Amino acid sequence: QKEVEQNSGPLSVPEGAIASLNCTYSDRGSQSFFWYRQYSGKSPELIMFIYSNGDKEDGRFTAQLNKASQYVSLLIRDSQPSDSATYLCAVSGGSGNQFYFGTGTSLTVIP
Amino acid sequence: DGGITQSPKYLFRKEGQNVTLSCEQNLNHDAMYWYRQDPGQGLRLIYYSQIVNDFQKGDIAEGYSVSREKKESFPLTVTSAQKNPTAFYLCASSLGTSGYEQYFGPGTRLTVT
Repeated sequence: QKEVEQNSGPLSVPEGAIASLNCTYSDRGSQSFFWYRQYSGKSPELIMFIYSNGDKEDGRFTAQLNKASQYVSLLIRDSQPSDSATYLCAVSGGSGNQFYFGTGTSLTVIP
Repeated sequence: DGGITQSPKYLFRKEGQNVTLSCEQNLNHDAMYWYRQDPGQGLRLIYYSQIVNDFQKGDIAEGYSVSREKKESFPLTVTSAQKNPTAFYLCASSLGTSGYEQYFGPGTRLTVT
């Protein structure tokens, strides 16, 4: 079982719609959760982090964490073509003190 | 202007040659990491370092070596023992290893022929 699992996609949404990206993790003791955006040929860029159950909003992005169900999600409202990228979920602070990345979900926003 | 730099951006080598990739950070971070990313794949951890003069193997350390003589620098050597060295190499750093976000450099694309 992988530490962090994401649907690889590709996920396609029309411009202006809400994109929903999901991630599950296996270590129940994990404390910190991150979302990175990676454009093709570029390095990952941190866009959100969340530590507590519930929602955290930053502009058009909302991260949601449910520790009981061991999932974290990222919502992108009013999706733009510039949001087209691969989104990586990362989890840290668990029993092994390791930092685990999912394999990423590819998002395409169609104009 | 704080950040992580990696050089060079593109690197070409012949098979059988060792090559060293540079990674420097001025964020005053204690922890540094090296990842490898193959086309369409996720990140795989090669080595990480929590403090100066200490480093640990990641999931795919075979054929690679590192050093951490200064807090700011964490160079990666790809040796001739690495069977498939062509990849995108990413360096990252964080305040610590547990629970802290990682920040990435721009990456080095290595091609070995």
